[in-house]
Amino acid sequence: SQQGEEDPQALSIQEGENATMNCSYKTSINNLQWYRQNSGRGLVHLILIRSNEREKHSGRLRVTLDTSKKSSSLLITASRAADTASYFCATDISSNTGKLIFGQGTTLQVKP
Amino acid sequence: DGGITQSPKYLFRKEGQNVTLSCEQNLNHDAMYWYRQDPGQGLRLIYYSQIVNDFQKGDIAEGYSVSREKKESFPLTVTSAQKNPTAFYLCASEGLAGSNEQFFGPGTRLTVL
Repeated sequence: SQQGEEDPQALSIQEGENATMNCSYKTSINNLQWYRQNSGRGLVHLILIRSNEREKHSGRLRVTLDTSKKSSSLLITASRAADTASYFCATDISSNTGKLIFGQGTTLQVKP
Repeated sequence: DGGITQSPKYLFRKEGQNVTLSCEQNLNHDAMYWYRQDPGQGLRLIYYSQIVNDFQKGDIAEGYSVSREKKESFPLTVTSAQKNPTAFYLCASEGLAGSNEQFFGPGTRLTVL
């Protein structure tokens, strides 16, 4: 069953604007990860935030985690046309098995 | 050039046939995973293996089989028992199960004719 629910399902912005995607989940997690997928390709890992962390940065990416609300957000600042892709959150809920449960994703279009 | 590879990129199958999708990694990773992705959907776990000669069913294992005879290889067989096999199949590996990020292959798109 899908643990992660993402919103919005689709997002269209202009280059230079910020993009925010949200992910909600149902059960306790060890960590939450964000992945990016270009159309018809494999996924690329972006960032991992552990359950005891509240915020993490990587370049133009900022991820927050609120375990009390069981939610996370991914912010991409100063977006570029090359950021156009689908973004998935994935939750790690089990100890040492590596099993991830993926959300349905947010499709981001950045217009030049 | 390290990474994870999948072949073929596109695969066509007639109904009633078994097909095997290849996944190879030279990252020396212990854990490997197979996911299925349907249009506009997230990934669903089919099978996973934490170590050579061992594997477990994921959430949607029915109609699929795997083997893990070598650390580098984790082939997936889509059997005729899988009722709706047309999908995009993604293989991933991880250094140690549950430790870090998963590295994904480029995927195989399977179409049943």
